[in-house]
Amino acid sequence: KNEVEQSPQNLTAQEGEFITINCSYSVGISALHWLQQHPGGGIVSLFMLSSGKKKHGRLIATINIQEKHSSLHITASHPRDSAVYICAVRSQRSGGGADGLTFGKGTHLIIQP
Amino acid sequence: DTAVSQTPKYLVTQMGNDKSIKCEQNLGHDTMYWYKQDSKKFLKIMFSYNNKELIINETVPNRFSPKSPDKAHLNLHINSLELGDSAVYFCASSGTWNTEAFFGQGTRLTVV
Repeated sequence: KNEVEQSPQNLTAQEGEFITINCSYSVGISALHWLQQHPGGGIVSLFMLSSGKKKHGRLIATINIQEKHSSLHITASHPRDSAVYICAVRSQRSGGGADGLTFGKGTHLIIQP
Repeated sequence: DTAVSQTPKYLVTQMGNDKSIKCEQNLGHDTMYWYKQDSKKFLKIMFSYNNKELIINETVPNRFSPKSPDKAHLNLHINSLELGDSAVYFCASSGTWNTEAFFGQGTRLTVV
């Protein structure tokens, strides 16, 4: 079982709908990242969270550390939001240090006009 | 000004060849990474370098070797390429203590 599970795997919605993508993880983490990958292939960091909630434009990310769960919300969705959204965690290690990210399998979102 | 740049963007090569992918970051970050994205679009870490020291090597074949001439560069060398090495390879960087990650545009490697 992957350490990071995302749902749904695929999501098709109509323009204007409210979108929620969920992420659950099974390890202790120091931070959780939400990333966006467009069909062209580039990966962009949307949020980095260690607690609470962050908002950027129409995007909102929340995290519940006790429940090991995060959600990414998109309000007033638009066709240009169509992309793969990837949840990734940086695991918590004693002594700190730089760790790579562990990724979920991504959610393929299509927003239809 | 591109924060993390990697070259080439596309690389097609024959089995058995040796190739390199270059990565440079201008963000002053201490740590750089190489990730592999397989045909199912799943990303997995290969290496990370912190201040020129290898931190993680996730069971990657020793045909793959990261080389960091300085803090701003982390190149990936691959010897004796195999068909299964075909994938998209992403370079990334971040500050040492849990900061946002910045990714290069990816290198699509195709081994024929």
